[in-house]
Amino acid sequence: DTEVTQTPKHLVMGMTNKKSLKCEQHMGHRAMYWYKQKAKKPPELMFVYSYEKLSINESVPSRFSPECPNSSLLNLHLHALQPEDSALYLCASSQDFPENVPYGYTFGSGTRLTVV
Amino acid sequence: DQQVKQNSPSLSVQEGRISILNCDYTNSMFDYFLWYKKYPAEGPTFLISISSIKDKNEDGRFTVFLNKSAKHLSLHIVPSQPGDSAVYFCAASDTGTASKLTFGTGTRLQVTL
Repeated sequence: DTEVTQTPKHLVMGMTNKKSLKCEQHMGHRAMYWYKQKAKKPPELMFVYSYEKLSINESVPSRFSPECPNSSLLNLHLHALQPEDSALYLCASSQDFPENVPYGYTFGSGTRLTVV
Repeated sequence: DQQVKQNSPSLSVQEGRISILNCDYTNSMFDYFLWYKKYPAEGPTFLISISSIKDKNEDGRFTVFLNKSAKHLSLHIVPSQPGDSAVYFCAASDTGTASKLTFGTGTRLQVTL
């Protein structure tokens, strides 16, 4: 299995809703990532987990809450989002640093989030 | 502050010809560079990478060239095929900051028949 699976593929939520994005990989990767990509912009790093521990938080607002329940799963809990948070949310995984460096990450196909 | 820049938002090339995609960076701490390809409604797919200690890396139709003094890299695709039509992202990593990729803004490549 060489895939990163993200669910749901599309999500529309109101500003008062609570929802979660899910990401799963079975490649034995020990680093997992959340990226956010707005239209015509590059992916921007949000969070990095290494061995199920949060290692990087790129000053993301607390309305985004990541969780790594085990080495295969990564969640992103969403609460009280704003319309400007509408974007494509990409999950990725890799071997842990530094073994991952020449190979980059394996990305999922993303969740297209719309906040209304 | 965009540390990785792709100044051409789009490029059109005829099938069979060479496609050259360019990328510039400003952070001299970057020591590994990667290219990703992205189709609509899919996540980016890793293509090829190069270490800062090399100036060229080749994999089939794809070759990446690195000019450290100019802080410039390029991806050559020869020959270009219609299936290569996608958005290409350049990305850079600074191994001193533990596994963090910084992406460029992307170049949309259209390979025409």
